[in-house]
Amino acid sequence: SQTIHQWPATLVQPVGSPLSLECTVEGTSNPNLYWYRQAAGRGLQLLFYSVGIGQISSEVPQNLSASRPQDRQFILSSKKLLLSDSGFYLCAWSRGDTNNSPLHFGNGTRLTVT
Amino acid sequence: QQPVQSPQAVILREGEDAVINCSSSKALYSVHWYRQKHGEAPVFLMILLKGGEQKGHDKISASFNEKKQQSSLYLTASQLSYSGTYFCGTGRTGNTGKLIFGQGTTLQVKP
Repeated sequence: SQTIHQWPATLVQPVGSPLSLECTVEGTSNPNLYWYRQAAGRGLQLLFYSVGIGQISSEVPQNLSASRPQDRQFILSSKKLLLSDSGFYLCAWSRGDTNNSPLHFGNGTRLTVT
Repeated sequence: QQPVQSPQAVILREGEDAVINCSSSKALYSVHWYRQKHGEAPVFLMILLKGGEQKGHDKISASFNEKKQQSSLYLTASQLSYSGTYFCGTGRTGNTGKLIFGQGTTLQVKP
């Protein structure tokens, strides 16, 4: 069966510090990978998605970036965090086209920027 | 581009029914429905594809009218476990990686 691991679960970082969140998927190959952010009490905002190694599509201009160095690894980074980067970050995977395949979410990382 | 969900919140008693609507201004190919418990990740409920299909999952079902660019989620005889925030996610032809979510509908079921 497939599993998705996301860490850390919680993170408190000062403004201006760097960020690295990691997500890995097991039990499947060539998944589509996604990063979503959820602000407190709000909906799910798509940040990045990837259909293959090195292929990243950015949805929202911001100080975040994403990389996919391996088939089942997806990393979200920032060089300098802003207060507005606080939120619940969710990694997800799907088997191909999301028009036909469900998203499977990791447990999320709750980021607080102070 | 973000789909609009209504209502924003609903409170029910156990056994009552609810309908959550999801509308888009763009032509849709698919609609997903997810439920999120507080502090947890969203959990997949169902996908509906273009073609006006309906699906059911226990006492939760949904319909998709692509002409109206709308989907509705029906919760019948609600249980306490149905409490949470429901999100619709919409996909469009050609945008194979992009699932855009609505703002969510919070459902609270009381005993």
